[in-house]
Amino acid sequence: KQEVTQIPAALSVPEGENLVLNCSFTDSAIYNLQWFRQDPGKGLTSLLLIQSSQREQTSGRLNASLDKSSGRSTLYIAASQPGDSATYLCAVDSYSGGGADGLTFGKGTHLIIQP
Amino acid sequence: DAGVIQSPRHEVTEMGQEVTLRCKPISGHNSLFWYRQTMMRGLELLIYFNNNVPIDDSGMPEDRFSAKMPNASFSTLKIQPSEPRDSAVYFCASRGLTRQYFGPGTRLTVT
Repeated sequence: KQEVTQIPAALSVPEGENLVLNCSFTDSAIYNLQWFRQDPGKGLTSLLLIQSSQREQTSGRLNASLDKSSGRSTLYIAASQPGDSATYLCAVDSYSGGGADGLTFGKGTHLIIQP
Repeated sequence: DAGVIQSPRHEVTEMGQEVTLRCKPISGHNSLFWYRQTMMRGLELLIYFNNNVPIDDSGMPEDRFSAKMPNASFSTLKIQPSEPRDSAVYFCASRGLTRQYFGPGTRLTVT
């Protein structure tokens, strides 16, 4: 059974810093890995999706990497802003013999960017 | 595209009542997923369908929970009878080729 762990659980940094959020997963048989953002009381916003054959994806100030063999992914946020404050969730789309299964989520990293 | 549509957005009910959550996936998507989010357990997969057929319901917590997908454009998640510990946000998602797209969620409160 796939398990996803995110470190740290919470992070508070001053505005302008570059930061790294970590995600690890136990089963390397994955279709893809997604990073989501969730604001308090809101739904999920997909930030980046990395296919299993890819090493990284970039969108603006965000860069996500994937090392499938070691079961790790990182989300790099450059020049952080107060508007980046949210919970960031890592989710792995695994597959079994019958095809792709649903997403397995980590517990998230609660990020606060201090103005 | 309207995205994944869920209704109701908020539901407050008393313990013992039947609750039905509804989801309309994105047109053309052939996989549909139901997730539950709680503070204690985070986001968990409850059940998913491929081409309207339930594939894996191992995440459904108890027999009180049931899900149906009578056609490609509609799914329901039913809880009968509801209990206070069912209080959570329930998300529906659909997937086409690769990415899952999430609905806004239904916040369920059982008193």
